Amino acid sequence: SYELTQPLSVSVSPGQTASIPCSGDRLGNKYVSWYQQKAGQSPVMVIYQDNERPSGIPERFSGSNSGNTATLTISGTQAVDEAEYYCQAWDSSNKDVVFGGGTKLTVL
Amino acid sequence: QVQLQESGPGLVKPSETLSLTCNVSGGSISSPTYYWGWVRQAPGLGLEWIGSIYSSGTTYYTPSLKGRVTISADTSKKQFSLNVRSVTASDTAVYYCVRHGAMADGYGFRHWGQGTQVIVSS
Repeated sequence: SYELTQPLSVSVSPGQTASIPCSGDRLGNKYVSWYQQKAGQSPVMVIYQDNERPSGIPERFSGSNSGNTATLTISGTQAVDEAEYYCQAWDSSNKDVVFGGGTKLTVL
Repeated sequence: QVQLQESGPGLVKPSETLSLTCNVSGGSISSPTYYWGWVRQAPGLGLEWIGSIYSSGTTYYTPSLKGRVTISADTSKKQFSLNVRSVTASDTAVYYCVRHGAMADGYGFRHWGQGTQVIVSS
């Protein structure tokens, strides 16, 4: 089965840029979505189709996807961005939705 | 704006069937644009897609749960449902209902319900 790998945690200082990678075999050939989940809340989509932002998502959230790695970038990170972030792709071979294991973003 | 609300028992005995319903408001289950599905999250763990149903009635399930899961829709009641048979403790999770576009086209899970906790225990 297809797997997506994320680091367990990423730390960033307020105002700096946070980058959260998500790796998978030839991931660049698939579309990637990203979700933010704060403690006790439902996930919120922040990126779809690799780099598109749903309405209402701040411009500081952006995405890229090439080769074996997709990256969620948060520019000018704020304290409110502290959350768990999940990447997600469609495994067309197995007709399965795959999520990464999640990355805890700490803003300190 | 579409809203999704899960409902169902919070406690299910092992070997029994877990049944949840998602009520949809602000959108039509019959719309050809969207899929309606379920995602779960075990305590302290990540997200797991269970399956989805399209407006045509076609269903899609994650391979690991196929055979134990059924998703159905009732357009007249504006709701869709999840049944998971022969549950074990590993089915304990928060269950979310979701709306999404075509996954192959990169439209992920745009709308989520608030989630409902289900515990499998005798």
